[in-house]
Amino acid sequence: DMKVTQMPRYLIKRMGENVLLECGQDMSHETMYWYRQDPGLGLQLIYISYDVDSNSEGDIPKGYRVSRKKREHFSLILDSAKTNQTSVYFCARGQGGYEQYFGPGTRLTVL
Amino acid sequence: LAKTTQPPSMEAYEGQEVNVSCSHTNIATSEYIYWYRQVPHQGPQFIIQGYKDYVVNEVASLFISADRKLSTLSLPWVSLRDAAVYYCIVTDRGYNQGKLIFGQGTKLSIKP
Repeated sequence: DMKVTQMPRYLIKRMGENVLLECGQDMSHETMYWYRQDPGLGLQLIYISYDVDSNSEGDIPKGYRVSRKKREHFSLILDSAKTNQTSVYFCARGQGGYEQYFGPGTRLTVL
Repeated sequence: LAKTTQPPSMEAYEGQEVNVSCSHTNIATSEYIYWYRQVPHQGPQFIIQGYKDYVVNEVASLFISADRKLSTLSLPWVSLRDAAVYYCIVTDRGYNQGKLIFGQGTKLSIKP
């Protein structure tokens, strides 16, 4: 099974609150990713994780941090969320070359 | 990473074959071509990948021109479920370590 899960699916937070988005995969694949997608735009890469405690910034890491303590789980953390972080966040895992399998997304609204 | 150019939108009727083109005039010899699609309210889904010539799988086929500057994703017998945004991505497998850059893609609309 190549399932990628994301929790929660929907989240509403107030500006300044902390946000934790969770991602899980069931194949212990090494590489995992966090993206965000805004209306009418393609996906933008926030962070890549190559393995436990081996993370690398993507194209838009500012305002985000990640945590990966187990291969199966990859968390995206927003410390003191901002309204411009309202977006849909997708987690993905890598497979072989550049085939990535995406989760269903988390729709985050920051008021 | 090579830049890609796709038509912003296309329309087709159910049952037609649809060809989505992608121009990547600056593609490097180390770069591969990937196609993904995304239906509303879901994450992108990998469709097919190739380096040269012709690749086919159970979902689609991919034709790559001899100079590799143009690729065409072919979807046979499209249905309403094929309505999605189709992304063409060109990337170097080794150097970029899994990094995909999604552009704006081609929005495919299907008419019944």
